[in-house]
Amino acid sequence: DQQVKQNSPSLSVQEGRISILNCDYTNSMFDYFLWYKKYPAEGPTFLISISSIKDKNEDGRFTVFLNKSAKHLSLHIVPSQPGDSAVYFCAASARNFNKFYFGSGTKLNVKP
Amino acid sequence: DAEITQSPRHKITETGRQVTLACHQTWNHNNMFWYRQDLGHGLRLIHYSYGVQDTNKGEVSDGYSVSRSNTEDLPLTLESAASSQTSVYFCASSEGLQPQHFGDGTRLSIL
Repeated sequence: DQQVKQNSPSLSVQEGRISILNCDYTNSMFDYFLWYKKYPAEGPTFLISISSIKDKNEDGRFTVFLNKSAKHLSLHIVPSQPGDSAVYFCAASARNFNKFYFGSGTKLNVKP
Repeated sequence: DAEITQSPRHKITETGRQVTLACHQTWNHNNMFWYRQDLGHGLRLIHYSYGVQDTNKGEVSDGYSVSRSNTEDLPLTLESAASSQTSVYFCASSEGLQPQHFGDGTRLSIL
């Protein structure tokens, strides 16, 4: 049973608008969350993270929000750019696990 | 610059053959991981290692094995390749709970 779920396989957004990618998790032990971005024929690259002691972390155009009670996190990209078109994976871990559980990914298409 | 490299990038083989995928990292990370990526499943953990001589099974370990004889390398072996193991394989490394660095993947086709 998947412990990290991304229920939207794809998302299409107009350039300049906001992209919101969602992720849900089931394990209440998870306390550290990451987002990765993946282009075709390349490995995933780290984008942004958040610890459970925070509910928001921002890095330039990228913001991750964490709702612990709902076991939900989201990645906001504002403004979206065509170069953001990629597959986005969320991942979760607990401090004593030292490994991550990944969601199935959401393919973002930003239209010019 | 430190990096993590996978070889080969593409491989085609036949069912029943033994296949070994290489992963080499120069980050000097203790943790190394192997994942497979399949449509609808995302990245699933096959095996992982927290240091030399340490190996652990992930969620989809059946039919795969790894060995860790040094810090830099974690080869993944398919003992007897099956068509269900056709996939894209990614190796990653990390230190503690720092974000993992991924290789560019090996696309494996088993006919």
